[in-house]
Amino acid sequence: GAVVSQHPSWVICKSGTSVKIECRSLDFQATTMFWYRQFPKQSLMLMATSNEGSKATYEQGVEKDKFLINHASLTLSTLTVTSAHPEDSSFYICSVRRPGDQPQHFGDGTRLSIL
Amino acid sequence: QKEVEQDPGPLSVPEGAIVSLNCTYSNSAFQYFMWYRQYSRKGPELLMYTYSSGNKEDGRFTAQVDKSSKYISLFIRDSQPSDSATYLCAMKDSGGYQKVTFGTGTKLQVIP
Repeated sequence: GAVVSQHPSWVICKSGTSVKIECRSLDFQATTMFWYRQFPKQSLMLMATSNEGSKATYEQGVEKDKFLINHASLTLSTLTVTSAHPEDSSFYICSVRRPGDQPQHFGDGTRLSIL
Repeated sequence: QKEVEQDPGPLSVPEGAIVSLNCTYSNSAFQYFMWYRQYSRKGPELLMYTYSSGNKEDGRFTAQVDKSSKYISLFIRDSQPSDSATYLCAMKDSGGYQKVTFGTGTKLQVIP
């Protein structure tokens, strides 16, 4: 069964709007979750690592004030794209990993289209 | 040079064929290797997860790792049209952070 639930699967909104994407770990309590971005025909690029109860760790070049991450519980992390613009249109995917040397399991992704 | 190199394809094969997908890497710190399948507009789905050099089999899928050559492969036997997807290799080291590095993916089409 699914390990990760991501919502919504698709969102279209106007430029300047803020959009929140939810990622839920269904199988276990996840102290760490990951947020990726994927452009068409390209691979996944890690944006940030979400840490429960503390600040997220952002990859170089990712704007912290633009992409707000909140990991308030052991099963839920949210990514908010603030003041979204057309260049933020992309496929956003979250993942979780069990403790130890375990692989990541991915959600079904959120397709974000900014008009 | 990219840390992980993967032929983007597309690769077209007839139904029933054996498919070979490959990745090379340059970072000798990589210890864990994964293959994911990604259907269009979906998140990646974990197919295989290996650590040591050698082969690991799961149904029609076989993952092969050669750490000395820094080369990994995924074989799909008796390929089916439902196998048509993009296949991503991924790898990570065993350090605390364990950042995963992905290949660019190979698009596979299995023709009925």
